[in-house]
Amino acid sequence: AQSVTQLDSHVSVSEGTPVLLRCNYSSSYSPSLFWYVQHPNKGLQLLLKYTSAATLVKGINGFEAEFKKSETSFHLTKPSAHMSDAAEYFCVVRSVYNAGGTSYGKLTFGQGTILTVHP
Amino acid sequence: DAEITQSPRHKITETGRQVTLACHQTWNHNNMFWYRQDLGHGLRLIHYSYGVQDTNKGEVSDGYSVSRSNTEDLPLTLESAASSQTSVYFCASSESAGGLETQYFGPGTRLLVL
Repeated sequence: AQSVTQLDSHVSVSEGTPVLLRCNYSSSYSPSLFWYVQHPNKGLQLLLKYTSAATLVKGINGFEAEFKKSETSFHLTKPSAHMSDAAEYFCVVRSVYNAGGTSYGKLTFGQGTILTVHP
Repeated sequence: DAEITQSPRHKITETGRQVTLACHQTWNHNNMFWYRQDLGHGLRLIHYSYGVQDTNKGEVSDGYSVSRSNTEDLPLTLESAASSQTSVYFCASSESAGGLETQYFGPGTRLLVL
């Protein structure tokens, strides 16, 4: 079974300082991993995804994440926080299974990390 | 532009009433999903569909049902609303691509059951 753990429920940073949102996953095979962002009262927006290509993945708005298989981690980083980055962030693992000769994917979400950015 | 929409965006209902939340996508995606979002739980899968006439239960399906009569729509029905179903509901869709597809989410429906 797939699972994902976001190690911090809240992270607070000052504007202009680095951001680190931590995520560990559990998977019986090479996973696909995603980070989604949710701004207040908005839907979820895809930030970036890892699908077994380059281990360092670049996303939108200056975010990037590094897949580390030995550590089963997929931490999200940004060199310099902006006020507009304040939101909730979800780490997600995708499981793929086969049925009737067709492959299907299902997402498992972490509990979310709320990022606060102070001026 | 193609999109995924949900209606209503906000809904207040009473316990015991039947409630239907609409989800409509114009991407012509085969796969559609319903999630609920609760504090401390992230998003949890309620039901999903991989095509017309196909529906499957997710991890928290009790008290919910879906039907898929066309590609564009996957309405979610709460047969008899309970206070425990107060939540934010998200619909998502994706193409069929061997399980490697990215899911795109609607804006959400905030449901309050009194």
